[in-house]
Amino acid sequence: GNSVTQMEGPVTLSEEAFLTINCTYTATGYPSLFWYVQYPGEGLQLLLKATKADDKGSNKGFEATYRKETTSFHLEKGSVQVSDSAVYFCALAKGSSGGYQKVTFGTGTKLQVIP
Amino acid sequence: DAGVIQSPRHEVTEMGQEVTLRCKPISGHNSLFWYRQTMMRGLELLIYFNNNVPIDDSGMPEDRFSAKMPNASFSTLKIQPSEPRDSAVYFCASSPIAGTGSDTQYFGPGTRLTVL
Repeated sequence: GNSVTQMEGPVTLSEEAFLTINCTYTATGYPSLFWYVQYPGEGLQLLLKATKADDKGSNKGFEATYRKETTSFHLEKGSVQVSDSAVYFCALAKGSSGGYQKVTFGTGTKLQVIP
Repeated sequence: DAGVIQSPRHEVTEMGQEVTLRCKPISGHNSLFWYRQTMMRGLELLIYFNNNVPIDDSGMPEDRFSAKMPNASFSTLKIQPSEPRDSAVYFCASSPIAGTGSDTQYFGPGTRLTVL
């Protein structure tokens, strides 16, 4: 079946440091790929997405490139801020036996940014 | 737009009691999802509705769980009887286009359920 593997957390960085959160997936064909972010006490919200190979999703300084050859969708940001502290979820969407494109989420990676 | 609305935000109940969680999706969205989030299992899809019709309930843990969507603006998730292992955060999410996985899902703030 489809699955998403992302790096264990928590990740602790100093403000203005470079961020990478690794994500790899297992799925046949070409799933759509997403990064969602969850701030404390809130629901998940979409951060960025890519729907085909070599696409780059970007938003709020974050970016991720859909790499079919390595089945990866790593999240990067050049300079993190304290306000980026949250849990980040990698996800994929692919056709399911139910006849719709089901979203599978990774386990989440907690990021803590220290001033 | 008010976003996805869930109630209650917190629920504490005793084992054996009935629990009803409520969700109001974003107006005009055709897809509605119920998820459960726990530390051990992460985020799990419980059930998916398309135009108020349940399409995939394979994630519903057992017969104690049931979900309904009587109209486009309201859905409930009921647990009867509740057990301590049901303690989790339950999220409702909606999406504008039915069945298209590349569409963004909009999550509500969640209901934190504690079963004593």
